[in-house]
Formats: sequence, structure tokens, C-alpha cells
Amino acid sequence: DAGVIQSPRHEVTEMGQEVTLRCKPISGHDYLFWYRQTMMRGLELLIYFNNNVPIDDSGMPEDRFSAKMPNASFSTLKIQPSEPRDSAVYFCASSFVSSGEKLFFGSGTQLSVL
Amino acid sequence: SQQGEEDPQALSIQEGENATMNCSYKTSINNLQWYRQNSGRGLVHLILIRSNEREKHSGRLRVTLDTSKKSSSLLITASRAADTASYFCATPGGGGNKLTFGTGTQLKVEL
Repeated sequence: DAGVIQSPRHEVTEMGQEVTLRCKPISGHDYLFWYRQTMMRGLELLIYFNNNVPIDDSGMPEDRFSAKMPNASFSTLKIQPSEPRDSAVYFCASSFVSSGEKLFFGSGTQLSVL
Repeated sequence: SQQGEEDPQALSIQEGENATMNCSYKTSINNLQWYRQNSGRGLVHLILIRSNEREKHSGRLRVTLDTSKKSSSLLITASRAADTASYFCATPGGGGNKLTFGTGTQLKVEL
């Protein structure tokens, strides 16, 4: 298996633009997580899905953030409009319930909002 | 909010030495996990220890868990330059598979 795949690897955009981050989880995994990592706040859980259904979105910072999982093999995290304070590394991770909650992370998307 | 706090924040050692990192957490847990993050990469799972376990080994890694003190430690023996990375503890919180990560320890192993 190729592991969790995220795209793009790097994204540079201007304030006010829409940003869409993409994630393909490991096949057969039924949990998908979006995390954000910054120097100031560390790793923060934004939202997670179980069987494509959002379970907990309490970490989503504002209404500007939205996430979808239309099927078991694809998820998006959208920021509209983007702001400089959204600059961070965004990670997607997936897990299989029988793996004992072990998470498999993608390589992340480095987002810079100018 | 972060459940775990790692100590020290940064650690620099010579190759061949042992490295010990500590993690303290706040609420009751059923397991605790350690992850490694190399610069510019995603996190990689290292080891999981359950609340009914006190110690667990995996290769050069040794993890201990003291639920009475709400703390865990990760020991890397005979460190190598390739062990240079950030190490995070993670605990389940809020039910289900939701993992909360600590602040991390930056380990540098020098030749």
C-alpha cells in the first residue's frame, strides 16, 4: 500500500483565496483525521471521520474551514477565504479500528498564505 | 488543548548514548502512544502501551507507563544519528479514536 497520500505537498496562496487540501487514506481504513501543526500550537486535531461521516469537528477553528469525505478513498479540507494565520502544515491521517488506534500519517501539506 | 507535555523540549546527545524522553498527561487513558517525526515529514507510529502494561520493548525502544503518576517515558538505547527527530506522545481523548498529541521533544544525535 502507498500509505496516506496528500496533495499538494506545498501550497502558496494569497490572502482571501480559496485553498483545497486533498487526502487519500489507506484502503480499508475507516477513520480519517485532519491535523494542523504550527510552532505555536503544536499538533491540533481539526476534524475526524468514521466511515465517511464527520464525528467531531470541534477543532475546526472557524466557519472558513470545511471538510468533506464523499467516499472512503477521498477527503478534502477547504479554507475559504484563507488568511495568513492559516499558514501551517496540514496532516491527514487514517486508522483501522482493529489496529488499536494507531494512526498512519501522510507527508502533509505545507500551506503559506501571504 | 494538549493532553501530553513532553520533557525535555530539546535534547542533544552523542551517538551511542541513550536518550530518555518523558511525557505527562492529564486524564485517565486506556493507552499511550509514541510517534516520531523527521523534519518535513509526517508522524510515524513507534509503539503503543496499554494502561494495564508497565513496560514495553520494541528493538532499541523501551517505553514505560505509570498510570498513578500519569506519566510515560521513552528510552532510545544506543542512539544513532538517524534517530534525530521530534518525538511525541499521544493519548486518546474524548472517546473513540481521537488522539491528542503532546508538545514533543526534539532529539539531536550528533556524530
